[in-house]
Amino acid sequence: DSGVTQTPKHLITATGQRVTLRCSPRSGDLSVYWYQQSLDQGLQFLIQYYNGEERAKGNILERFSAQQFPDLHSELNLSSLELGDSALYFCASSLGVAGELFFGEGSRLTVL
Amino acid sequence: AQSVAQPEDQVNVAEGNPLTVKCTYSVSGNPYLFWYVQYPNRGLQFLLKYITGDNLVKGSYGFEAEFNKSQTSFHLKKPSALVSDSALYFCAVRDNYQLIWGAGTKLIIKP
Repeated sequence: DSGVTQTPKHLITATGQRVTLRCSPRSGDLSVYWYQQSLDQGLQFLIQYYNGEERAKGNILERFSAQQFPDLHSELNLSSLELGDSALYFCASSLGVAGELFFGEGSRLTVL
Repeated sequence: AQSVAQPEDQVNVAEGNPLTVKCTYSVSGNPYLFWYVQYPNRGLQFLLKYITGDNLVKGSYGFEAEFNKSQTSFHLKKPSALVSDSALYFCAVRDNYQLIWGAGTKLIIKP
């Protein structure tokens, strides 16, 4: 158990809908990262927050947004969903900005 | 630009034999290198890292990795493979505040 909690574990929704994925980092970790893992595209970095502030942005679509709250949990919002958004979405946390990452078990999103 | 390459999509090894999963990198400055493992339907787990010091780094589950600066490589190794080592392995290098990930190598250990 990494200590990173993600909910929901599975989510099935329709095209055009909006979903919110939630992540609770390990106790004491200030950095939260979001990744997307598709079958044919490997691990894609989406966005990173450090202590509530956006730190780095990767290949995150404009339809996606995220935030980190004062209690350090984070949410990833995915809107106007398309079939191609079906993937595993991972949250990871680290103590600072340079240490190893600890991953949650992921949220599997299926868009029908 | 920083990059990581895992040249093998898949590696097949017989149980009990030594295994190597390859990783090469391209960075400016000193590299911070990592290996992670992903078991089916699970999140990634940290295996080991190289920051500085000894070129041979020991990690979890009996794995080790050898840092070779001249060859810009950081290959993952294990002396005797187990069937339970079958998983997806990712190499990564730190670039400022981000990790640059390799595409992953599927390791299959056959009984």
